[in-house]
Amino acid sequence: TQLLEQSPQFLSIQEGENLTVYCNSSSVFSSLQWYRQEPGEGPVLLVTVVTGGEVKKLKRLTFQFGDARKDSSLHITAAQTGDTGLYLCAGPLMDSSYKLIFGSGTRLLVRP
Amino acid sequence: NAGVMQNPRHLVRRRGQEARLRCSPMKGHSHVYWYRQLPEEGLKFMVYLQKENIIDESGMPKERFSAEFPKEGPSILRIQQVVRGDSAAYFCASSQLPSSSYNEQFFGPGTRLTVL
Repeated sequence: TQLLEQSPQFLSIQEGENLTVYCNSSSVFSSLQWYRQEPGEGPVLLVTVVTGGEVKKLKRLTFQFGDARKDSSLHITAAQTGDTGLYLCAGPLMDSSYKLIFGSGTRLLVRP
Repeated sequence: NAGVMQNPRHLVRRRGQEARLRCSPMKGHSHVYWYRQLPEEGLKFMVYLQKENIIDESGMPKERFSAEFPKEGPSILRIQQVVRGDSAAYFCASSQLPSSSYNEQFFGPGTRLTVL
């Protein structure tokens, strides 16, 4: 059983479209981190959300942490081909500040 | 400021051989974590180390796997008598602070181990 469920698993969209990726759990997380991973590379940290209800913006990317700290979303506005990659959410459960639990990832393809 | 460094990037071993994976954390980071990513699966926590101490090895197989982070030098993940099922990408991460709700971990590029 996956503690962090990500949806969708795969997403293929046209350049310029908007998209949202979801990360859900029945467990409470002390924070949630979003990473992007390119083939053959390690995950690169995009953002960390800490407070329930928190919203963070990174250019065209908007990250939200659910009020109950059980879910998070990543919204990309006007997707570009450079956004193509594997997006991972991860976080430590409340009883462990360091052991990151990873979602299975959303593989995004932005077509020109 | 150099990021987390791992070497080798690719490692090929025959069944029964030993694999040694190295990780140098980011400058100023003294907390190291190892994760494993099996093909078509998510990253799974293996072990958490501080200098000269193993803090949590609950995610590491009990046999054949060991990890260390000596006072000097990189952290080492050692796999003895490798089997085909050990083929995976092994990632090292480091952080500055161990226990806060803002424990950001920064990952290295990984070592891809292939066992023939």
